[in-house]
Formats: sequence, C-alpha cells, structure tokens
Amino acid sequence: DAMVIQNPRYQVTQFGKPVTLSCSQTLNHNVMYWYQQKSSQAPKLLFHYYDKDFNNEADTPDNFQSRRPNTSFCFLDIRSPGLGDAAMYLCATSRGSGREQFFGPGTRLTVL
Amino acid sequence: AQSVTQLDSHVSVSEGTPVLLRCNYSSSYSPSLFWYVQHPNKGLQLLLKYTSAATLVKGINGFEAEFKKSETSFHLTKPSAHMSDAAEYFCVVSLEDTGNQFYFGTGTSLTVIP
Repeated sequence: DAMVIQNPRYQVTQFGKPVTLSCSQTLNHNVMYWYQQKSSQAPKLLFHYYDKDFNNEADTPDNFQSRRPNTSFCFLDIRSPGLGDAAMYLCATSRGSGREQFFGPGTRLTVL
Repeated sequence: AQSVTQLDSHVSVSEGTPVLLRCNYSSSYSPSLFWYVQHPNKGLQLLLKYTSAATLVKGINGFEAEFKKSETSFHLTKPSAHMSDAAEYFCVVSLEDTGNQFYFGTGTSLTVIP
C-alpha cells in the first residue's frame, strides 16, 4: 500500500544533542510537509517542500532545518534540541498544494 | 485572522447516539474543507473532504459533513457513535487567497460513553 513512513516512531535525545527525523513516501507526491504537534494542540506547520523548493514558515525557529534529497525522502534536523522541542513531529504529503494531505504516524520526540 | 473555528473543544456522547462536531470557517473565496481524525499517538487520517462538488460529503466510518455557504459551516455528523470513534477531530480549511495553505482548527476531543 502507498503510504507515508516515519522513522523512528519514538526518539529520545539529550538537551542540545542534534537529532534527525526521517520521512519517506511511496505516493510519489510532489509536496512534503513537516508539522510539530504539542500535547492537546493542533499541528503547527514548520516548513514544506514544493518539489525542490523549500518554504519556511515565518515563525519556525532557526534551530529547525530540513533536507529533501529526492522526491521520496525528507528529513527534519533539530540542531540543538531544547526541552520545549519535545513534541510529536508529523510528516505529510500531497499532490499539489491545497489538496488533501496524507500523514505519517509521527515521531514522538523526548528531550532529556 | 482566524480562518477556521471548532466551536467545541470537548464533546461527549453515549454509544449509539448521534455525533455532531461543529466547524465554521471564514473566507472570501470558496474554500476546500477537510475533516481529519487522530487517535492517540497516531498520525492524522482523512475522514472526508469538500472541494466545490456536492455539498453533502460522505466519508469513511459512517461520517458525513454538509457544506453550508450561507452559514460558513462544515459540521461533521454521524448517526450512531461507536466506541472506536473516540479520538481528536480536526477541521481544516485550505484557502486559495492564502496560497492553499492548510489552516487547522483547534480540535475537538470526542468521548464515547459505553
């Protein structure tokens, strides 16, 4: 089945230790998104790729970066995680903007 | 400006009774509207979508929603709640005039009482 896959599902890191979360998709969608979701809140868009074009949300901290080496894969790098970065990170894809987004299962990040 | 408002943060129903989750949007243009469901520690799953076709939209698991332009609403309903419907529900609007970005409502937590 075509799907959005996120690895790992659970990630524990230490304060200030860089961490990378990965997302892959078999849907061949051209748009990929990264969201941050804190407890009992709606997902918050961090950035998205439209094909190779990177689009950063204005309020996304510089601590968060992303890479999309090819259509199928997208990575979220957190350079120096703080306690406030503990959250669920959701990857999503869509075929063009404004279309329904397909979400992965998420990676829950814990910062010690 | 708030583009989508979910009027209830929590809704509690008894198993077998109807479900109504309310959503209103604000837009000068015709929006695309979506309802997503999220079970604990899971990703979001699309329940249904409205994209300017039929105003009554049927989704998965017996859910449906009606787009009412005059009321700027897109309420989610289900005739009979099941225990497995207990989850968080998000109403999402995509607006042409803002580059088709997704705007999430704050979510409604549905509890189903046995």
